[in-house]
Amino acid sequence: LAKTTQPISMDSYEGQEVNITCSHNNIATNDYITWYQQFPSQGPRFIIQGYKTKVTNEVASLFIPADRKSSTLSLPRVSLSDTAVYYCLVGRPALYSSASKIIFGSGTRLSIRP
Amino acid sequence: KAGVTQTPRYLIKTRGQQVTLSCSPISGHRSVSWYQQTPGQGLQFLFEYFSETQRNKGNFPGRFSGRQFSNSRSEMNVSTLELGDSALYLCASSFGLAGQTDTQYFGPGTRLTVL
Repeated sequence: LAKTTQPISMDSYEGQEVNITCSHNNIATNDYITWYQQFPSQGPRFIIQGYKTKVTNEVASLFIPADRKSSTLSLPRVSLSDTAVYYCLVGRPALYSSASKIIFGSGTRLSIRP
Repeated sequence: KAGVTQTPRYLIKTRGQQVTLSCSPISGHRSVSWYQQTPGQGLQFLFEYFSETQRNKGNFPGRFSGRQFSNSRSEMNVSTLELGDSALYLCASSFGLAGQTDTQYFGPGTRLTVL
């Protein structure tokens, strides 16, 4: 399984765009990249998933360069409610892995200030 | 559609006791995964059940076990509780095998405190 590396923490201000980068140098051909958000005392919540180039949904964008060795989660115009821990996961569909254990890294603690 | 529910939400036990936690997945989801979250170790995968069979298992001792019923509801059991088992136990459901691409939907968790 590809190991991921993220910054431990980040600070920003309301209204700013926040970019969180995840490194996954050993990503395999069939691996996808998924991001989750977790608030204190709650379970993680799916944000976005992608394989290559760019994916955008109503809450975030995911940028993946051609070599796929890193990815960047982009949160536009953050608010105080975006203060949370963000996890980057890398792995392949169950179709390609009979025993894919799910590994959450340490995550990035994002703090948004007024 | 109702989300993932976990019961109880809070639990206090003493060392040596055993505990059973329950998880009801989203209707139609067949996979249930369990996680332990502690401040020191973060979010760690315990095991995954799909169609009543354990499909994946994390690196936890045999004191941690689980099962899944025909209606996809799952229970997790921890025997001979230790102080270090104090944690937030999270359950997540997905339609197919979770792997790392199927979106998982997490419940609110059960906060277990071992005294």
